[in-house]
Amino acid sequence: KNQVEQSPQSLIILEGKNCTLQCNYTVSPFSNLRWYKQDTGRGPVSLTIMTFSENTKSNGRYTATLDADTKQSSLHITASQLSDSASYICVVSLQGGKLIFGQGTELSVKP
Amino acid sequence: GAGVSQSPSNKVTEKGKDVELRCDPISGHTALYWYRQSLGQGLEFLIYFQGNSAPDKSGLPSDRFSAERTGGSVSTLTIQRTQQEDSAVYLCASSLTQGTGELFFGEGSRLTVL
Repeated sequence: KNQVEQSPQSLIILEGKNCTLQCNYTVSPFSNLRWYKQDTGRGPVSLTIMTFSENTKSNGRYTATLDADTKQSSLHITASQLSDSASYICVVSLQGGKLIFGQGTELSVKP
Repeated sequence: GAGVSQSPSNKVTEKGKDVELRCDPISGHTALYWYRQSLGQGLEFLIYFQGNSAPDKSGLPSDRFSAERTGGSVSTLTIQRTQQEDSAVYLCASSLTQGTGELFFGEGSRLTVL
């Protein structure tokens, strides 16, 4: 069964600290993996895309990794800011176009 | 417009009434998706349109839900005889290419059924 599982479900960190969010997937055939950020009351916005051949990709303070062998991805946030408080959603695309969404990790950055 | 536009942004209705939610995708995007998000929950797939192909309706929760996309652009999601459990945010997204492309989401339509 095609599934995307994210952990932790929620996370609270202090401003300035780093954190890592996890995404494990059992999806086949894999096409790509995207991380989206969803601010409260807004639609999700894409942060980064990972294809099969990519191991790491950065977008400012966000760094995503992908291990295609273990079917795991992580999103690392460096020097967190209050504006990083949001839900982070992992979405895996299958070849052929179907999208599988994770349930998201709710991140709260406290001052 | 520059992004995906949804209307209304908020809708309060009485149980049993019909509602229509509208989505204007980004011009040129051939793929259009509808999702539902209940409070504190993840996104639930409802329906997907790709060009002139038959839509993927596999996520629609009941026959009270339907959607159409006219002229390959604007889409309307209709919920008939609304129930309280239909209360949620309904998100529309469009994509330049099928599946593997980036999804651009609207701000959502928040539906409250009293």
